[in-house]
Amino acid sequence: KNQVEQSPQSLIILEGKNCTLQCNYTVSPFSNLRWYKQDTGRGPVSLTIMTFSENTKSNGRYTATLDADTKQSSLHITASQLSDSASYICVVSGDNTDKLIFGTGTRLQVFP
Amino acid sequence: DAGVTQSPTHLIKTRGQQVTLRCSPKSGHDTVSWYQQALGQGPQFIFQYYEEEERQRGNFPDRFSGHQFPNYSSELNVNALLLGDSALYLCASSLGLGDTQYFGPGTRLTVL
Repeated sequence: KNQVEQSPQSLIILEGKNCTLQCNYTVSPFSNLRWYKQDTGRGPVSLTIMTFSENTKSNGRYTATLDADTKQSSLHITASQLSDSASYICVVSGDNTDKLIFGTGTRLQVFP
Repeated sequence: DAGVTQSPTHLIKTRGQQVTLRCSPKSGHDTVSWYQQALGQGPQFIFQYYEEEERQRGNFPDRFSGHQFPNYSSELNVNALLLGDSALYLCASSLGLGDTQYFGPGTRLTVL
């Protein structure tokens, strides 16, 4: 069964600290993996997208890594800001269609 | 350049009623996907429209139906509402199949 699992389920950090979110997937065949940021009550916003051949991709303070062999991805947030408080969702596309498989997300809270 | 827009923002219905949700894609996009997101969960794929036809469908009953208009806007219809249909309904648009999807703010549906 195609699944995307994320950990931790929730995370609290202090402003300025770094953190890393994890994503494991069992989707096969694999096309690409995306990380989205979703503010409460809002639609998800794409942060990064990586294909099979890409190991890392950055978007400002966000850096995503992908290990297609172990089917794991991580999202590293550097020098966190209060505005980083949101849910971060890992999304995997199993083929060249738009049928995205979503993880349940990691709820990040950044406190001053 | 307007992003993805959805209407209404919030909606309250009672069991057994029918509801129609609307989505206007991002300018230049021709593909619309609909997702249901229960509280604390990741979005679940409902279906996707391209060239006014349903191209893919997730594991949702026939009570969920949709339509895409020549201007690429789309509607999601849900008949015989159940309490379990209460969720945030997200619309996402993209340019063709396989492109990055941009999400709207969602419609919060509450079924009493």
